[in-house]
Amino acid sequence: NAGVTQTPKFQVLKTGQSMTLQCAQDMNHEYMSWYRQDPGMGLRLIHYSVGAGITDQGEVPNGYNVSRSTTEDFPLRLLSAAPSQTSVYFCASSYSYRDTYEQYFGPGTRLTVT
Amino acid sequence: SQQGEEDPQALSIQEGENATMNCSYKTSINNLQWYRQNSGRGLVHLILIRSNEREKHSGRLRVTLDTSKKSSSLLITASRAADTASYFCATDPRDDKIIFGKGTRLHILP
Repeated sequence: NAGVTQTPKFQVLKTGQSMTLQCAQDMNHEYMSWYRQDPGMGLRLIHYSVGAGITDQGEVPNGYNVSRSTTEDFPLRLLSAAPSQTSVYFCASSYSYRDTYEQYFGPGTRLTVT
Repeated sequence: SQQGEEDPQALSIQEGENATMNCSYKTSINNLQWYRQNSGRGLVHLILIRSNEREKHSGRLRVTLDTSKKSSSLLITASRAADTASYFCATDPRDDKIIFGKGTRLHILP
């Protein structure tokens, strides 16, 4: 199993540009989530999904969209990038939302918005 | 505001000593987890403790949970250089969200 994969690893955007961060898992996990990590702030939940076709907002959803058309994929879209979105983005998945299971994290995408 | 808060923010100890870090949270939870993050990497799951458990062990890790005080502690015994990392607690405040704290940066001195 590849586990949780994220692409790209690094990205530089100009203010106002849009892009999609890709996340995929091959473990047939129900639960997937996106976090951003900023210095001194730990990880903050952006959006999460408990299954295909179901998404919900986390702590800091503004400026981001997600969709979950398949169990495997959970892309994160930045609609109009802003410097405040400069961060490291982590995707994670776990077996089910019906109980708490360990989350498996991807390697992260380091995004810089200029 | 974040659900969990780790304390201390940073900790430096000599190799071989024990390291203790704490996590306090605000609302009722089902379970609490601890994760480790090595510099520049994704997080790795260490241990999960359920709300009806008080203590759990895994190798050199010991986790306690006090739901009346809304707090947990992670003890790493006989620390090694490889334990240098950031440690995060994560809670699930009963609405499908898993919320992380800001982390404790642990540095093991040779």
